[in-house]
This record gives sequence, structure tokens and C-alpha cells, in this order.
Amino acid sequence: QVQLQESGPGLVKPSETLSLTCTVSGGSISGFYWSWIRQAPGKGLEWIGYMHSTGSSNSNPSLRSRVTMSVDASRNHFSLQLTSVTAADTAVYYCARYFCPGDICQGFDLWGQGALVTVST
Amino acid sequence: QTVVTQEPSFSVSPGGTVTLTCGLSSGSVSSSHYTSWYQQIPGQAPRTLIYNTNIRSSGVPDRFSGSILGNKAALTVAGAQADDESDYFCLLYFSGLWVFGGGTKLTVL
Repeated sequence: QVQLQESGPGLVKPSETLSLTCTVSGGSISGFYWSWIRQAPGKGLEWIGYMHSTGSSNSNPSLRSRVTMSVDASRNHFSLQLTSVTAADTAVYYCARYFCPGDICQGFDLWGQGALVTVST
Repeated sequence: QTVVTQEPSFSVSPGGTVTLTCGLSSGSVSSSHYTSWYQQIPGQAPRTLIYNTNIRSSGVPDRFSGSILGNKAALTVAGAQADDESDYFCLLYFSGLWVFGGGTKLTVL
């Protein structure tokens, strides 16, 4: 049974870089598309971006200038970095796996439990 | 940027049927948006209900169904139960990008 687990600092100072890792257990990271999603307290879900195990990626235009995503197949994990954070970046960050039966991915079939990251001094 | 719209809230009586919708600030939702639907109990991770407009995820009861109704995607919950009381989010595909709707809070009472 494939499981996803987010990990990283729960507290980040303003203007610094948020770094999270999503570890895939029970299955391989290779050959799949992976995504980061976040949810500010009391708000809806926001798609951050996706990447494939080969390295291709795309991200939300509103965050693109601050987002970097990477995959480490040898460690079976993928990562998110978000630079120059502010209080508005405080959120639960989820990683998820896409369901892609064909050329177009059709949604997420697997979610991590989420990691709360607070931006504060 | 395209805004994906959902009703902020909806209520349904136990045993009743409710249809939640997912539209666009401009234009119509179609099968090419590969709409997916997610259920989220506050404090928990989302659960996938529907892929590609109308394909139920594994283990999802057939009380949940997806469709296109007019110019919107729709999620119908039939025979509503108390534990259907959750937030529901749609997700649409736009040529390499994905956008969530704002979510609908469903109350069963």
C-alpha cells in the first residue's frame, strides 16, 4: 500500500525559504506525476504545482517565481522549496500523486496527511 | 486568471439528494477540464471521490456521481448520510495547470 508523508520544519521565519519533502513508501516514485497543494487556515485548497519523476514540472503562475520542485528517485522522495515566505504562506501543505491513465492526468488518487507550516518570527 | 466557482454552502436532509456544481467565471466546464472532486472533513486530508468528470475512485459508494450539467460540472450525492457532512472541492485542468474551486460546505440536517 503506497503512502505519502510530508516532512519539514513547522516554523519558518518571514523572508526565509520553506522546504518540505514528501517521502513515498510502499511503491516507487518513478513513472508518476506528483503534486504539492496547500490550504491556509480556514480556506480552500490551492494547487502549487506538479512534477514528474523525470523532472518535468509546472507551477501555479501566482507562485511560480518563488517555487522550486525536485525529485530524488534514489531516496524515493520529492521536495518543495518556497522562497521569500510571508505570513500568507502559512498553511497545511499536502503532497499528492496524480492518477494518469493516459496523456492527461485526471486528478489525485493518493494524498499525504499534510504538514502545517507557520511563517512567523 | 480563471476562477473556478462553487456554492459556498449547501444543506440537504438525511436521505435526500443534493447536486453541487463547479463552474467558471468565464466560459463553460467541459470534459476537457477532466474535473475531479474531493471530500474533506475539517482537520483531515482530502479524499478523492471522482476523476475525469464521472469516474468514481476506488471504494467510493455509488451514492456519489459526477456529471456535466449545462455549463458546469456537478457532483450529486444521493441518499445523504450524516457523515457526508464535509467540505467538497472540485479541481479543473487547464492545459498543464490545475485550479481548485473555492469549495462547498455541505450540511446534512
